[in-house]
Amino acid sequence: GAGVSQSPSNKVTEKGKDVELRCDPISGHTALYWYRQSLGQGLEFLIYFQGNSAPDKSGLPSDRFSAERTGGSVSTLTIQRTQQEDSAVYLCASSSERRYEQYFGPGTRLTVT
Amino acid sequence: GEDVEQSLFLSVREGDSSVINCTYTDSSSTYLYWYKQEPGAGLQLLTYIFSNMDMKQDQRLTVLLNKKDKHLSLRIADTQTGDSAIYFCAERASGGYQKVTFGTGTKLQVIP
Repeated sequence: GAGVSQSPSNKVTEKGKDVELRCDPISGHTALYWYRQSLGQGLEFLIYFQGNSAPDKSGLPSDRFSAERTGGSVSTLTIQRTQQEDSAVYLCASSSERRYEQYFGPGTRLTVT
Repeated sequence: GEDVEQSLFLSVREGDSSVINCTYTDSSSTYLYWYKQEPGAGLQLLTYIFSNMDMKQDQRLTVLLNKKDKHLSLRIADTQTGDSAIYFCAERASGGYQKVTFGTGTKLQVIP
C-alpha cells in the first residue's frame, strides 16, 4: 500500500470491554512497531516485530495487552478488560531493511468511558 | 536505560527562526531523528543525523549534534504557520535492534 494504515481511526468503548486495533504496514516492511501516545506525553514503546523473530514485548504495560502479527504483515493489538487509563492514541509504524526510518500510521484514538 | 528529554512548548513569530532542543542519555546512539506530528496525524520523519556527524542541513532545517554533551537541536529558518506542530526527537541505539526511543515532543506554535 501507499502507507501504513490503521483501523479504526476512533474507538469508544466501555470500561471492561475488549478492543482490537489493526495495523496494515507498508508492503515489504519487515519491522512493525506499536506505540502509545497519551495526552501531553511522548511515545511509549509497546511491542516490536521483526520478521520471523520472537517479538520484543518489553513495553507492554500489563498482561491485558497482547499483539499478533499474522503472515509477517497485518498486526492486531488487543487490549482486554479495558481501563480508563488505556485511553490514548495507539500508533503503529513499520520500517524496511534500510532500518533508519520508521513510517507511521495515523493512529487509533481509543477512549474508554 | 535510554532517556530523551525535550522542552514541552515553544512559541515563535512567523519569519523568525525556531530552535528546538533535545538531550539524550544513551552514548551508544547511532541515529538521531526529528519527527513532526501535525494535529490528528501520525509522525513524519523530518530529518536524521548519524552520530559521527555534527551538522546536517536540509533546506530550512539545520540539525546540530553535540555528542559530548548528548545534545541535539533542530533549527527551522523562516518559520511559517505551517510549521506549527509537535516535534519529536528520537534516538536509536547501536546494534542490530531497531528500537527507537522518543522524547516527549515539543509543541511549536507559530504566531502570524
